[in-house]
Amino acid sequence: GQQLNQSPQSMFIQEGEDVSMNCTSSSIFNTWLWYKQEPGEGPVLLIALYKAGELTSNGRLTAQFGITRKDSFLNISASIPSDVGIYFCAGQLAGNTGKLIFGQGTTLQVKP
Amino acid sequence: DAGITQSPRHKVTETGTPVTLRCHQTENHRYMYWYRQDPGHGLRLIHYSYGVKDTDKGEVSDGYSVSRSKTEDFLLTLESATSSQTSVYFCATSTDFGTDTQYFGPGTRLTVL
Repeated sequence: GQQLNQSPQSMFIQEGEDVSMNCTSSSIFNTWLWYKQEPGEGPVLLIALYKAGELTSNGRLTAQFGITRKDSFLNISASIPSDVGIYFCAGQLAGNTGKLIFGQGTTLQVKP
Repeated sequence: DAGITQSPRHKVTETGTPVTLRCHQTENHRYMYWYRQDPGHGLRLIHYSYGVKDTDKGEVSDGYSVSRSKTEDFLLTLESATSSQTSVYFCATSTDFGTDTQYFGPGTRLTVL
């Protein structure tokens, strides 16, 4: 089936550092979504992107919809301990019926 | 969070037994989804519903069935549970199919012994 390649798989950083993660695919997407999941909970939507080139911020988080429509990145600035969790990208394929495809996730750990 | 609840939150069962997981939403969202989450695989779509009594298969539907008799409830049934169905199951809802975002429930951890 279709795949999203999300990288890195995990990150262990110092509090205050900036973080960057991305998702790539060989397919074209209409929508990119970024979710965060904390232990024992379901994923929570962080940012939604609907247009190629779109750059959207949510507090310290910034995400962009790649101009080729095959990739997206998420940046977290000045990380804090509560940023810990698993971050997932999800995309809806162009021409698809609307089903989302999820990346494998990036596990973020922040050292105080 | 779209007022999504899942029950049970945890279940341990034996191979060969039937299991039903329930998803309940209070937001009147038209679309509902069942995913499973396994290490290294992210979230994979099992089945989805685009209205009462309207359902379709997702990526990993073998061994699962669903039913939706009311807008607010979406049931996932494992007719005869197998150890490979040990996973965390998430329900999600959305108001639109395609451009809208999906909101997730808290998950059900199922262990099949």
